Amino acid sequence: AQSVTQPDIHITVSEGASLELRCNYSYGATPYLFWYVQSPGQGLQLLLKYFSGDTLVQGIKGFEAEFKRSQSSFNLRKPSVHWSDAAEYFCAVIYGNKLVFGAGTILRVKS
Amino acid sequence: EAGVAQSPRYKIIEKRQSVAFWCNPISGHATLYWYQQILGQGPKLLIQFQNNGVVDDSQLPKDRFSAERLKGVDSTLKIQPAKLEDSAVYLCASSFGRTSGPYNEQFFGPGTRLTVL
Repeated sequence: AQSVTQPDIHITVSEGASLELRCNYSYGATPYLFWYVQSPGQGLQLLLKYFSGDTLVQGIKGFEAEFKRSQSSFNLRKPSVHWSDAAEYFCAVIYGNKLVFGAGTILRVKS
Repeated sequence: EAGVAQSPRYKIIEKRQSVAFWCNPISGHATLYWYQQILGQGPKLLIQFQNNGVVDDSQLPKDRFSAERLKGVDSTLKIQPAKLEDSAVYLCASSFGRTSGPYNEQFFGPGTRLTVL
């Protein structure tokens, strides 16, 4: 079955440390991949997307993600986390005509 | 540019009662989506409208959920009667284009948190 997996439910990092959030998908063709962020009480905001070309994608707020076809992964990274990055992060894939989300990873930032 | 508006932000009801949620998309956006986000899960598409027509409602529990988008602008999602498992955040999103493709970004509202007791 087609699916999006985010293996980590919670991640805690220290402010200023680097971050990597994992995402794996199952899909036969080249996928259209997204990362969204959801802050408490707010809607989902698109961080970045990949659909072709360079496999390293730059997004807003200093985030980047790398598409690795061999690993069916699209991991999100940030070199230095700020306290304001604390939120829930969702990986998503276009399947057919639908945007299908992973279960999310909650990021906590400790000072 | 004003974002997607939703109301109410919170709603608490008892099971078997009915409830309605309202969404006002970004002006000019042809496509409107309703998602259900259960605690600990990612959002799941319930229904997609293009203008005032339904594009996809395959995951909408039609025995109790209904939605409409009169005049192709605002939309209302209704649950009647509600069950305990309907407790979730209901997100509305809109996009300019017609499909869920990569060139057609979806903009999300803040959601309505429903608690069914």
